[in-house]
Amino acid sequence: EPEVTQTPSHQVTQMGQEVILRCVPISNHLYFYWYRQILGQKVEFLVSFYNNEISEKSEIFDDQFSVERPDGSNFTLKIRSTKLEDSAMYFCASSATANTEAFFGQGTRLTVV
Amino acid sequence: KQEVTQIPAALSVPEGENLVLNCSFTDSAIYNLQWFRQDPGKGLTSLLLIQSSQREQTSGRLNASLDKSSGRSTLYIAASQPGDSATYLCAVRRGSNYKLTFGKGTLLTVNP
Repeated sequence: EPEVTQTPSHQVTQMGQEVILRCVPISNHLYFYWYRQILGQKVEFLVSFYNNEISEKSEIFDDQFSVERPDGSNFTLKIRSTKLEDSAMYFCASSATANTEAFFGQGTRLTVV
Repeated sequence: KQEVTQIPAALSVPEGENLVLNCSFTDSAIYNLQWFRQDPGKGLTSLLLIQSSQREQTSGRLNASLDKSSGRSTLYIAASQPGDSATYLCAVRRGSNYKLTFGKGTLLTVNP
């Protein structure tokens, strides 16, 4: 069964460092998303991406964040200068269309120290 | 702003019991609603998607209903098993938006 794959599963970084979280969405999907979940809190939307551009972003997704689809298979989230409060589980998701079922990856646990 | 609430926050039942998880949302202008399962420290597994025009969806022992006008959805789990133990999340998509808005989830424990 097709699945969304995320790497790494766990990343520890020092405050102020740049991190890149990687995702391989389901191959025939056209819509891509990043969400995050701070420990004990709700899953929160960060950004959606379609047709090589951001289609929607939340207020969390400030200038420190960027997304890219560098080739036909990968979808990345970059955090330019990490803060302690960026520590969270980051989930990548994809869907075939804007209104169909979203499938999530297993997440990358980011710990900023 | 869409708010999604799930009640109860936690539920513990004996194996074999039928149970209902509740989800409510404040803005009824949704496009669809999706139920997920999350195991501890893991990702989200999609269980069911209900479009706003639908009243219910079924998958195996799971049945989800949607009452859009009252802003409610329920997830019915029949003949619960210990393997059903997980956190169940509901999420709604508003018509003009791409994002899913999530509830905090219901932590289900099914005791053997």
